Amino acid sequence: KNQVEQSPQSLIILEGKNCTLQCNYTVSPFSNLRWYKQDTGRGPVSLTIMTFSENTKSNGRYTATLDADTKQSSLHITASQLSDSASYICVVSARYGGSQGNLIFGKGTKLSVKP
Amino acid sequence: NAGVMQNPRHLVRRRGQEARLRCSPMKGHSHVYWYRQLPEEGLKFMVYLQKENIIDESGMPKERFSAEFPKEGPSILRIQQVVRGDSAAYFCASSPRGAGGPLNEQFFGPGTRLTVL
Repeated sequence: KNQVEQSPQSLIILEGKNCTLQCNYTVSPFSNLRWYKQDTGRGPVSLTIMTFSENTKSNGRYTATLDADTKQSSLHITASQLSDSASYICVVSARYGGSQGNLIFGKGTKLSVKP
Repeated sequence: NAGVMQNPRHLVRRRGQEARLRCSPMKGHSHVYWYRQLPEEGLKFMVYLQKENIIDESGMPKERFSAEFPKEGPSILRIQQVVRGDSAAYFCASSPRGAGGPLNEQFFGPGTRLTVL
């Protein structure tokens, strides 16, 4: 069964600190992995998209890594800001023809950044 | 570009009533996707539509739920005879290209929060 598991479920850090969020998946055949940020009451916003051949991708203070062999990804946030408080969702796309691309969503990690 | 628009943002219905959720995709996008998010759960795919066509409705309950994306106007997700279990956030996303592409980028709307009393 295609699944995406994220850890931790929630995380509280102090402003300025770094943190790393984890994502393990069992989706096969794999197409790509995305990290989304979802602010409370808003829709998800894409942070990064990585294909099989990409190991790391950065977007400002966000750096995502992908190990396709172990089927693990991480999202590292550097020098956290209060505005980073949100849910971070790992989404894996299965490679099937047509259809909706079979995006499988994790439940997300809820990050709270405190002053 | 105003982004994906959804309305209403909040909708309250009593059991047995109908709920209509609207989604206007980003300008130039002809592919629309509907997702449902229960509290503390991840988003779950419901239906994928192109203009005037349903491409994949494998995630949508076969009874009471229907979706359309007419040639003109927004996409509509319709829930008939709502029950308490339908209470959730419903998100719409749009993309400029079809879902079969490997890097199909979906842009999400702000969601409609449906509460069934």
